[in-house]
Order: sequence, then C-alpha cells, then structure tokens
Amino acid sequence: DTEVTQTPKHLVMGMTNKKSLKCEQHMGHRAMYWYKQKAKKPPELMFVYSYEKLSINESVPSRFSPECPNSSLLNLHLHALQPEDSALYLCASSQDTGTQREKLFFGSGTQLSVL
Amino acid sequence: AQSVTQLGSHVSVSEGALVLLRCNYSSSVPPYLFWYVQYPNQGLQLLLKYTSAATLVKGINGFEAEFKKSETSFHLTKPSAHMSDAAEYFCAVSEAIQGAQKLVFGQGTRLTINP
Repeated sequence: DTEVTQTPKHLVMGMTNKKSLKCEQHMGHRAMYWYKQKAKKPPELMFVYSYEKLSINESVPSRFSPECPNSSLLNLHLHALQPEDSALYLCASSQDTGTQREKLFFGSGTQLSVL
Repeated sequence: AQSVTQLGSHVSVSEGALVLLRCNYSSSVPPYLFWYVQYPNQGLQLLLKYTSAATLVKGINGFEAEFKKSETSFHLTKPSAHMSDAAEYFCAVSEAIQGAQKLVFGQGTRLTINP
C-alpha cells in the first residue's frame, strides 16, 4: 500500500463552522506534512510532523490546528476560516524527514471552499 | 534561503517531440533537487530527484534531468512526448529547517501536448 488517503475530497464550509480534514497512510512513514495549494500556484508548506511531534509550523494562523494522533494519522482542524483560505489542502508523508532527500508521497487533496 | 525558478509557465509541444522544462536553482550549499508532476485534480507524484550521486538522473515515465552546477540548472527532458504527459510540473529544492525537511517549489510549468 503506497497511498496517502485524504478525506473528504471536497468540503464547503461557512466562516463560523468547525470542520476537520483527515489524512491516513499505512506505509510506516514517520513524517507527515500539510501543504496548501491555491489555484494555479505551487504547494506551500504549512506543518511538518516528525515521529508524531510538530517539527515545523510555517507561521500558520491559529484557525488551522494540526493534530497527529498516531504515526498513521494526521488531522487538520479548521475553525473560523476566511474566504481566502479556500484552496486545495494536500497531505504528504515520507519515510523520515531528517535527510532532505526524502521522497514525499502526496494524497489527492481536499478541495476546500469557504463561503 | 534556497529557491528554484522555472522558466516558462506554459510549454506546448507536439506528440512525439522533445520535452524540455527548465529549472534553475539558488543555493549556497549543494542542493537536493526534485521534479514532481501533478495531474488534474490529483496530488503530486515524484518523477525524479538529485541527491549528488550522479549528475544525470533518470526518473519514471521516460523523464530524465541533468544537474549542471556551472549553470545552476536542473532541466527536465523527455525525448518523445506522449499525450498522457500533459500535466503541471514542479521543480523543488529541499531545505532543512529545525531538523525537518521542507520542499520549496517553483511556480510550476503547465505542459500541453498537441496531437
């Protein structure tokens, strides 16, 4: 199994809603990532978890709250989002994260629309 | 900080023609470079990576890239384009931040294949 599974594939939410994005991998990878991709733009790193601990937070607003309950699962909790947060949210995983040479495996993403 | 620049946001070639997608990097240390491909409504998939073992790197789907330090380039090529190659291509450089890996992507090049 070389897949990273993201759910839901599409999400529409209001600015007062609370929702969560889910990401799962069963490759035994110890690093997991959240990227944000606006339309016609490259992905931008949001968070990195290494061995279930938060390693990188790229100054992401607190309305985005990541969680890594175990080595296979990564969540992104959303609260009080703004319309400009509408984007494709990509999850990725890699065997490790310390060598800079790691291949990242990406999920298909969650297309988020904030109304 | 390390960065990559992709020359040409859109490249169009005929089926069977040579594909050349350009990427130049900026790095004060030997870089780790990657090419990823993104098909419509999907996540990113690794095509190939340079980790200093060899300057000519072969990847999946017939793609290859050559690392040229003198030109600070890592251009992606394929001898004969296929319709299925139509996609968005991202060059990326890997940075180490707080012991974790951060991929910094170029702006992307959209490849169109004409029949």
